[in-house]
Amino acid sequence: GAVVSQHPSWVICKSGTSVKIECRSLDFQATTMFWYRQFPKQSLMLMATSNEGSKATYEQGVEKDKFLINHASLTLSTLTVTSAHPEDSSFYICSARGGGGNVYEQYFGPGTRLTVT
Amino acid sequence: SQQGEEDPQALSIQEGENATMNCSYKTSINNLQWYRQNSGRGLVHLILIRSNEREKHSGRLRVTLDTSKKSSSLLITASRAADTASYFCATDEIKAAGNKLTFGGGTRVLVKP
Repeated sequence: GAVVSQHPSWVICKSGTSVKIECRSLDFQATTMFWYRQFPKQSLMLMATSNEGSKATYEQGVEKDKFLINHASLTLSTLTVTSAHPEDSSFYICSARGGGGNVYEQYFGPGTRLTVT
Repeated sequence: SQQGEEDPQALSIQEGENATMNCSYKTSINNLQWYRQNSGRGLVHLILIRSNEREKHSGRLRVTLDTSKKSSSLLITASRAADTASYFCATDEIKAAGNKLTFGGGTRVLVKP
């Protein structure tokens, strides 16, 4: 099946620094990638949708200047949390769509746990 | 924003019992999907049911979809301790800007051995 990886799996950073999270589709080309955020014991909230080679579409309430998304190739999308603050600590999950014959299915990465101290 | 509302929010059962959880949504959908998430881990895709389907089975899982009521249910039969996890429904909404999955609030299931 289609595999999506994320790197790093966890990261601790100091307040004010920036952190980059990578999302890769390993065995298929992802025309669309999605970034979600999940706080403890809560559901996944969609942050943004990105299509390869174009600007990301952000959900209402998500600051595009704070959460920079780049989808430079069909297998890689990156999320950069700029000037991170403790309230940005969360579980970030990416997913990719476009692989195989089922255009409806999204394949999820294992997530990245970000802790901002 | 969340599209689906799930109930119950939490469910505690004995091993061997069945677990049923429900999901309601608001807009038109292409399909509805159910996922499992173990604590602190990624999502595992369980089953996808299309808008023109009413019921689907996969092993011990049974999913129903009622588009007239905009609701779905997930039944886990003969539950096992390993089924302990959070279960989320996700709706693939029909949007002019492009389809996207929107998740419900989730049901935390505890299966006691």
